[in-house]
Amino acid sequence: AQSVTQPDIHITVSEGASLELRCNYSYGATPYLFWYVQSPGQGLQLLLKYFSGDTLVQGIKGFEAEFKRSQSSFNLRKPSVHWSDAAEYFCAVGASGGYNKLIFGAGTRLAVHP
Amino acid sequence: GAGVSQSPSNKVTEKGKDVELRCDPISGHTALYWYRQSLGQGLEFLIYFQGNSAPDKSGLPSDRFSAERTGGSVSTLTIQRTQQEDSAVYLCASSLAGSGSYEQYFGPGTRLTVT
Repeated sequence: AQSVTQPDIHITVSEGASLELRCNYSYGATPYLFWYVQSPGQGLQLLLKYFSGDTLVQGIKGFEAEFKRSQSSFNLRKPSVHWSDAAEYFCAVGASGGYNKLIFGAGTRLAVHP
Repeated sequence: GAGVSQSPSNKVTEKGKDVELRCDPISGHTALYWYRQSLGQGLEFLIYFQGNSAPDKSGLPSDRFSAERTGGSVSTLTIQRTQQEDSAVYLCASSLAGSGSYEQYFGPGTRLTVT
């Protein structure tokens, strides 16, 4: 069965520091992979997605993620974090071949210290 | 243009009552999804509608939950005889088509509290 693991429940970084949020997935075929961000009281906003091709994908707000098939990982990175990046981040996998639901990880809550 | 809208934004109900949650998808989006976000279970898929096809109800947790989509647009999620464990944020999303490659756009959610 498909699953997504986000090992870090909470992460705290200083403003200006680099960030990496980990995501591991379990899926037999080529996955569709997503990162979403949720600010308090808000819905989910898509940061970036991977379907195929270049394994390093760029997203909005300066985020990027790298798909590593050998490690079943899709880690999210940002070189310099801003205070406004404090939010909860969700990694998700969607099946290829027309299957449509997203399977989400438990989320990582990011706090940013000034 | 307008995004996905949901109403009400908050709903408090007594255990045993029925509730209806509404979702207005983005105009022109043929696919519509319901998810539930709760402390214990995280984000869970509930149900998926695509055009006139039969919905994928595989995520509905019990037969107290049902959903319909009228005219291929607005959707209503109904929970009958609510229980305290139904307390959660119910999120609706829509996408241009049902393929997994299409981005799902999420609404702000309805926070349901069952007392």
